[in-house]
Amino acid sequence: EADIYQTPRYLVIGTGKKITLECSQTMGHDKMYWYQQDPGMELHLIHYSYGVNSTEKGDLSSESTVSRIRTEHFPLTLESARPSHTSQYLCASSAYEGVENTEAFFGQGTRLTVV
Amino acid sequence: AQTVTQSQPEMSVQEAETVTLSCTYDTSENNYYLFWYKQPPSRQMILVIRQEAYKQQNATENRFSVNFQKAAKSFSLKISDSQLGDTAMYFCAFTMWTGNMLTFGGGTRLMVKP
Repeated sequence: EADIYQTPRYLVIGTGKKITLECSQTMGHDKMYWYQQDPGMELHLIHYSYGVNSTEKGDLSSESTVSRIRTEHFPLTLESARPSHTSQYLCASSAYEGVENTEAFFGQGTRLTVV
Repeated sequence: AQTVTQSQPEMSVQEAETVTLSCTYDTSENNYYLFWYKQPPSRQMILVIRQEAYKQQNATENRFSVNFQKAAKSFSLKISDSQLGDTAMYFCAFTMWTGNMLTFGGGTRLMVKP
C-alpha cells in the first residue's frame, strides 16, 4: 500500500545531541516537505524538495538541514538539539503537477522533545 | 505571497447538526487549488475535500461540502450531520496551479459533542 512513513513517532533526547528524523514515501512523488507544527497546531514549512538533489528552505527559519539523495527518502537532521526544537514535525509528499495529483499526503509525524 | 486565514480558532457542534468552518485567502493568481485537511487527535493529517479555482461548482464529498466564492476569496467548509469522529483540527490550504508548496491557515479545532 502506497504511503508515507515517519520514524520515530516519539523522541525524547538531551540537549546537544545530533538527531535525524526519517521520512520515506512509496508513492514515487517528486515533491516532499517538512512542516513544523507548534503547540497551537499552526503549520510552518521549514524545508521542501522538488526532486533528487533539490532542497530549499521554507517560510520558517530552521536550524535543521535536509537531504534528498533518493526520491523516496527525505531525512531531516538537527546537528545539536536544543529545547527550542521541541515540536511536532510532519513530513508530506505530493506529485509534481496535474489536477488529480496536487493532494499532499502526510506522515503520522514525529513528536520531538529536547530536554 | 499567498496567505490563508482561518478566523475561528475553536468551534463546537452537537452531534447530527451542521457546522461551517470559515477560510479566506489572499492571492494574485487566477489558477490554484484549495483544500481542507483534517487532523484528528494524535492521528495522521488527511485530505477532506479539494476545489479547483477554475470550477464554479462547489465540491462535495458525502457530508462535506464547500462554499467557494472566488471573487471574495472565501472557501468555507460545511459539515452536515456531524459525527463524533469529525472531532479534529481542520486546516484550510492553498496551492498554485503549478502544484507548488501548500500554504496552510492557522487551523480550527472542531469539537463534536454527543
